[in-house]
Amino acid sequence: ETGVTQTPRHLVMGMTNKKSLKCEQHLGHNAMYWYKQSAKKPLELMFVYNFKEQTENNSVPSRFSPECPNSSHLFLHLHTLQPEDSALYLCASSQRQGKLQNTEAFFGQGTRLTVV
Amino acid sequence: DAKTTQPNSMESNEEEPVHLPCNHSTISGTDYIHWYRQLPSQGPEYVIHGLTSNVNNRMASLAIAEDRKSSTLILHRATLRDAAVYYCILRGNNNDMRFGAGTRLTVKP
Repeated sequence: ETGVTQTPRHLVMGMTNKKSLKCEQHLGHNAMYWYKQSAKKPLELMFVYNFKEQTENNSVPSRFSPECPNSSHLFLHLHTLQPEDSALYLCASSQRQGKLQNTEAFFGQGTRLTVV
Repeated sequence: DAKTTQPNSMESNEEEPVHLPCNHSTISGTDYIHWYRQLPSQGPEYVIHGLTSNVNNRMASLAIAEDRKSSTLILHRATLRDAAVYYCILRGNNNDMRFGAGTRLTVKP
């Protein structure tokens, strides 16, 4: 238990479906991240939120839409995905202390997404 | 972003020490060196981090070169549960956290 909870753990969706991934952190952190991990590939940073404000969008297609309603919750809304979007989607959180990055990040267990 | 270079894979025998190297020759003065590991079917897990001085915690030790252009993660006695992909990343003033391919550690009984 890392203090970062992702739901659902597994998701199968069709290419015309709309679904959302949820991430919740119970650590009081002020920064949250979405990552994509395809099979046998490194983690790809998708989005970063600081104090609920998006500060990084790593050229992610618009069919992925993040939402951060408060500092504890992060969503990834999915629509009209492609089979190549099948991957493990990981959420992480950390405490940003000014400009310093001297605190560790905590990851959720991930959502295994399969697009059919 | 400053990048890191790690060997693709390493092997170790159980109960022996393991030294996992990382090169980061373009590190800036404010970059912290972080290490994470990812066990099969799990999210990455924090291991240790440091800035200039060597660091120890219950999981591992981190040895940082004097010029900070390289570092080594030391597992003092590898166990089968330490088999994972180990990532060395730099975290600077911006808030991103980018992972490379990491080093896949295999521990042999």
